[in-house]
Amino acid sequence: QQQVKQSPQSLIVQKGGISIINCAYENTAFDYFPWYQQFPGKGPALLIAIRPDVSEKKEGRFTISFNKSAKQFSLHIMDSQPGDSATYFCAGAYAGTYKYIFGTGTRLKVLA
Amino acid sequence: KAGVTQTPRYLIKTRGQQVTLSCSPISGHRSVSWYQQTPGQGLQFLFEYFSETQRNKGNFPGRFSGRQFSNSRSEMNVSTLELGDSALYLCASSIAGQGSTDTQYFGPGTRLTVL
Repeated sequence: QQQVKQSPQSLIVQKGGISIINCAYENTAFDYFPWYQQFPGKGPALLIAIRPDVSEKKEGRFTISFNKSAKQFSLHIMDSQPGDSATYFCAGAYAGTYKYIFGTGTRLKVLA
Repeated sequence: KAGVTQTPRYLIKTRGQQVTLSCSPISGHRSVSWYQQTPGQGLQFLFEYFSETQRNKGNFPGRFSGRQFSNSRSEMNVSTLELGDSALYLCASSIAGQGSTDTQYFGPGTRLTVL
């Protein structure tokens, strides 16, 4: 049973536009929700993360919005740049562990 | 500070063989986790080691095993390889101070191809 559903699978955005990636989770045992960015040939790198007691977190051009009652969270990339073209993964982490359940990934392409 | 290193980077094996992959965590990191990444299943948690003990385990068959040494370096082993084991195997390390809120830093992975 997939525990973290991520959409869309792929996304094309014009330079300067807003990229939005959505995730939904089922397991209420998750207490930490990171987003990772992965470039081809590289391992995933942490982009931004949020805990469920916070509804929004912003770091530079990246914002996570979190809706605990709906069990949904999303990543917004403002002023998207070609350098943001990568695969993005959301995840849920079981409380007190490093056991991350990842979404299936979104391949983002930002057109110059 | 050096990042997470994984060796080898690429590996080709045949069905039925076994393979051992190695991971050196960031200096000072005590937790090492392993993930399997495939196009179909995405990133799937294999197991996590802390202080030479397996703390958490994913839903993989017993053919997948691992261990951690006293210097925090870790190895994972896959026995009796199957075609479906072809994947990118990623190692991630964490300081292991606060549990799940510590950042996991991923290595570049080992690309395993099973023929």
